[in-house]
Amino acid sequence: DTGVSQDPRHKITKRGQNVTFRCDPISEHNRLYWYRQTLGQGPEFLTYFQNEAQLEKSRLLSDRFSAERPKGSFSTLEIQRTEQGDSAMYLCASSRGGEDGYTFGSGTRLTVV
Amino acid sequence: GESVGLHLPTLSVQEGDNSIINCAYSNSASDYFIWYKQESGKGPQFIIDIRSNMDKRQGQRVTVLLNKTVKHLSLQIAATQPGDSAVYFCAGTRGGGNKLTFGTGTQLKVEL
Repeated sequence: DTGVSQDPRHKITKRGQNVTFRCDPISEHNRLYWYRQTLGQGPEFLTYFQNEAQLEKSRLLSDRFSAERPKGSFSTLEIQRTEQGDSAMYLCASSRGGEDGYTFGSGTRLTVV
Repeated sequence: GESVGLHLPTLSVQEGDNSIINCAYSNSASDYFIWYKQESGKGPQFIIDIRSNMDKRQGQRVTVLLNKTVKHLSLQIAATQPGDSAVYFCAGTRGGGNKLTFGTGTQLKVEL
């Protein structure tokens, strides 16, 4: 296992377009998290899943954002009608659910022009 | 709500010196803390963690200290090297597997 994988690494899109990101967690991890990070700030929690169940969503996750983890393995994060304020690094992390650390992927850098 | 914050945005040290990065948290219910290192364009990399039933934990060249009385964490890096240059974040959570709350980070610069 090579850790948490995110695809694509970079995405440039025009305002108003929809984008979808994918995250593949570490295979034995049942929890998967999405965070957003803007320049100079720490990651901000968006949502997380235990297996296929979405357990918590942040108020940051507007109705333009939707996340899924249909089979309890990989997850997708979709942003509809992108805005310039959506430009950020989108990070995915996974864990076994206990207190043994959360492993992050390298992120997807989104630029909305 | 829970928040985790850092005292200093930038820390400059000479190569070979020890570095100390500080972090304060507001929620006394937080019981698990992690330090992450993040290099430019990369995701956060786990350095060391500590549970609230401990006050000190050591790793390779790194030590985390937890003072629950004043709700303060520190990360000590021994013999700081150029490769340690990065942004360091502390993060906290309540319970196992729940969301992490991050601080804004400290930029560590190692001068040769």
